[in-house]
Amino acid sequence: RKEVEQDPGPFNVPEGATVAFNCTYSNSASQSFFWYRQDCRKEPKLLMSVYSSGNEDGRFTAQLNRASQYISLLIRDSKLSDSATYLCVVNVGTGGFKTIFGAGTRLFVKA
Amino acid sequence: GAVVSQHPSWVICKSGTSVKIECRSLDFQATTMFWYRQFPKQSLMLMATSNEGSKATYEQGVEKDKFLINHASLTLSTLTVTSAHPEDSSFYICSAREYQQVFEQYFGPGTRLTVT
Repeated sequence: RKEVEQDPGPFNVPEGATVAFNCTYSNSASQSFFWYRQDCRKEPKLLMSVYSSGNEDGRFTAQLNRASQYISLLIRDSKLSDSATYLCVVNVGTGGFKTIFGAGTRLFVKA
Repeated sequence: GAVVSQHPSWVICKSGTSVKIECRSLDFQATTMFWYRQFPKQSLMLMATSNEGSKATYEQGVEKDKFLINHASLTLSTLTVTSAHPEDSSFYICSAREYQQVFEQYFGPGTRLTVT
């Protein structure tokens, strides 16, 4: 079983749609959680951190359920520019932690 | 702030040669740098973690004699792919973590290596 699992997609949605990505992690010692965005042939860029209380940044909402070891990202009112691969990222351990990347979910937003 | 650069951005080399990739933190001191590799349509895979002034810690399955990592200063780490083979062709990305920043890491733009 992979340490961080994501639905690979691709998700094809029209502009304005709401889309949700799911992610599960296997290591209960995971300490911190993030969603990154990666455009084709580019480096990953931090989209947002994920907190147990849930957090929102504009059209993006992230949720964490530690009991279920589950992370989600919701994108509302999708834009063409949201087309990218979304990576679920988990840090395991403290101090010298290890970062585990999910394989990513590909999103295509079409006009 | 928190900019990481990589050089070169892309390189083509012949099989059997060695290639050096540089990773620099431009506006902060990076006590820890990470090297990742990403094959097409796959996720980033951590290759090694390097702390300034000490030997790198390699992930299982990564040959330390083939992928030489040097982190001689707080702003520079290098990855040398020795005796490159076509299967080493990949996207290599470094990231850097600032002293006392526990979780956040900043990524370089990546280096695309093609071995012919």
